[in-house]
Amino acid sequence: SQKIEQNSEALNIQEGKTATLTCNYTNYSPAYLQWYRQDPGRGPVFLLLIRENEKEKRKERLKVTFDTTLKQSLFHITASQPADSATYLCALHSMEYGNKLVFGAGTILRVKS
Amino acid sequence: KAGVTQTPRYLIKTRGQQVTLSCSPISGHRSVSWYQQTPGQGLQFLFEYFSETQRNKGNFPGRFSGRQFSNSRSEMNVSTLELGDSALYLCASSLDVKVTEAFFGQGTRLTVV
Repeated sequence: SQKIEQNSEALNIQEGKTATLTCNYTNYSPAYLQWYRQDPGRGPVFLLLIRENEKEKRKERLKVTFDTTLKQSLFHITASQPADSATYLCALHSMEYGNKLVFGAGTILRVKS
Repeated sequence: KAGVTQTPRYLIKTRGQQVTLSCSPISGHRSVSWYQQTPGQGLQFLFEYFSETQRNKGNFPGRFSGRQFSNSRSEMNVSTLELGDSALYLCASSLDVKVTEAFFGQGTRLTVV
């Protein structure tokens, strides 16, 4: 069966450190992988999109890697701040499953000052 | 420009009733998707509409239905409500089906009592 797995436990880190979140998938061949941020009671907000032929994408303090051999994406936030505390969702877009966007359950990130 | 607007924000209904939720996408966006989010299941895909046609449907019972109007606005309907339908319902709009960055609304919090 298809699965998208993200760290189920919250990630607690100290301000200024780099946060690394993991997204693993099985039985998908995604054309795209995306990361979203969600704050409590709000809709997800798009952060980054990476295509299957891209290894890495950066945007300000954010970096995403995509390894189609390992079937894994890593999401990094450098110089993390308490304002980065939120749930981060991984989502993939797979043509073979109706071209819809499928989400992981998300990882809660808490950045402590 | 204005973001995705969902109405109402909060709703309380009784078991057995039906409910209609509305979504106005970003101006110029023609693709609208609906998701159900619960603490246990995360974001689950309901359906996707493009140019008034349903392109994809998730694994939900027939009590869940939707439609899209010529101005791209979308509605979803849930009939014969069950307690388990209590969730945050999120609408996301995209420019078209090829560009997969999704913009989410704030969601409608439905509580079934």
